[in-house]
Amino acid sequence: GAGVSQSPRYKVAKRGQDVALRCDPISGHVSLFWYQQALGQGPEFLTYFQNEAQLDKSGLPSDRFFAERPEGSVSTLKIQRTQQEDSAVYLCASSLEGGSHYGYTFGSGTRLTVV
Amino acid sequence: AQKVTQAQTEISVVEKEDVTLDCVYETRDTTYYLFWYKQPPSGELVFLIRRNSFDEQNEISGRYSWNFQKSTSSFNFTITASQVVDSAVYFCALILTGGGNKLTFGTGTQLKVEL
Repeated sequence: GAGVSQSPRYKVAKRGQDVALRCDPISGHVSLFWYQQALGQGPEFLTYFQNEAQLDKSGLPSDRFFAERPEGSVSTLKIQRTQQEDSAVYLCASSLEGGSHYGYTFGSGTRLTVV
Repeated sequence: AQKVTQAQTEISVVEKEDVTLDCVYETRDTTYYLFWYKQPPSGELVFLIRRNSFDEQNEISGRYSWNFQKSTSSFNFTITASQVVDSAVYFCALILTGGGNKLTFGTGTQLKVEL
């Protein structure tokens, strides 16, 4: 597609519920990133894929967070047993290569509210 | 570790005023890229500029200009003759070129341009 597409746009989850957030990167983009943006803060890195390989998951805040990109295109970020502190906007970005040289294209994000 | 500081949380100006958004960064690496992104209410991060650490030449693009000074570790962004459509949150970010693919963002500056 023309841009990075994320769905759903909004998600309300009850505490303890599992959620899955989807990211459709720009076609042909090798690299895919997930960022978490808390209210009033800048985005913070969660994880990075190059094709289907998850090369860096150092930003995932706990083992309740899991991301996959099985075929090197669409990615899913899954959060198990959601907690209130998980409430944030989850941004996905893709890049032609590593990112620093080519820049990133971000999606509009999924706003997760845990009640 | 890298750090990006945007000390201005919120700025309000009247349309047609000039406004400068400050960005100060910290890194021990000598090679890096600096970015500015715009985040309108719709939520996506819109790329504005990328600057290589070796290129200290200032840049102008229409009403936008950027002042990069390595001596003070600053990468300030000026909007000339601001317009209501410039109202958004603006983020400064840094990425190392020597490995890793994480963008480190500042906390953002909310710009409000009023009639």
